[in-house]
Amino acid sequence: KQEVTQIPAALSVPEGENLVLNCSFTDSAIYNLQWFRQDPGKGLTSLLLIQSSQREQTSGRLNASLDKSSGRSTLYIAASQPGDSATYLCAVRRHTNAGKSTFGDGTTLTVKP
Amino acid sequence: DTEVTQTPKHLVMGMTNKKSLKCEQHMGHRAMYWYKQKAKKPPELMFVYSYEKLSINESVPSRFSPECPNSSLLNLHLHALQPEDSALYLCASSQGGTSGRAKNIQYFGAGTRLSVL
Repeated sequence: KQEVTQIPAALSVPEGENLVLNCSFTDSAIYNLQWFRQDPGKGLTSLLLIQSSQREQTSGRLNASLDKSSGRSTLYIAASQPGDSATYLCAVRRHTNAGKSTFGDGTTLTVKP
Repeated sequence: DTEVTQTPKHLVMGMTNKKSLKCEQHMGHRAMYWYKQKAKKPPELMFVYSYEKLSINESVPSRFSPECPNSSLLNLHLHALQPEDSALYLCASSQGGTSGRAKNIQYFGAGTRLSVL
């Protein structure tokens, strides 16, 4: 059974700081890994998706890496802003495009002005 | 347009009521999902429809009944719910198929906040 862990559970940083969020998974036989953000009481917003054959993806100030063999992914946020405050979730999909995704518990990020 | 629309946004129902949650997407996606999310917890998968057929049921109680009338619509029919079923219900979609990175991205709706009294 796939288990996904996110560390830390919560993180508070001053504005402008670069930061790294971590996601680890127990079964390396994954199809893809997707990073989301969720604002309180809202749905999930897709940030980045990495296929199992890829090592990283970038979008603006965000960079996600994947090391499938070690079961780890990181989400790097550069020059953090108060608007980045949210819960960040990683989700690992094992099989196919319409397969089950297993989510981590998330990291709640607070960026202080 | 990467929008998944869920209605209603909020729903309060008694344990004897019958209600339905609706989800709609017009991205041409052929995979649609229902998730349940409790406070401060990650989403838990309930059902997956692939090409309008139920492909995954995560042992969800029968008081939850999904329906996919067509490739753009997904419903979740609710009957005789319990207070512990109160949660945020999220719908998602992805393109489906067997190849291509863009087809794998799951897009989520804003959710329906359900309270069962």
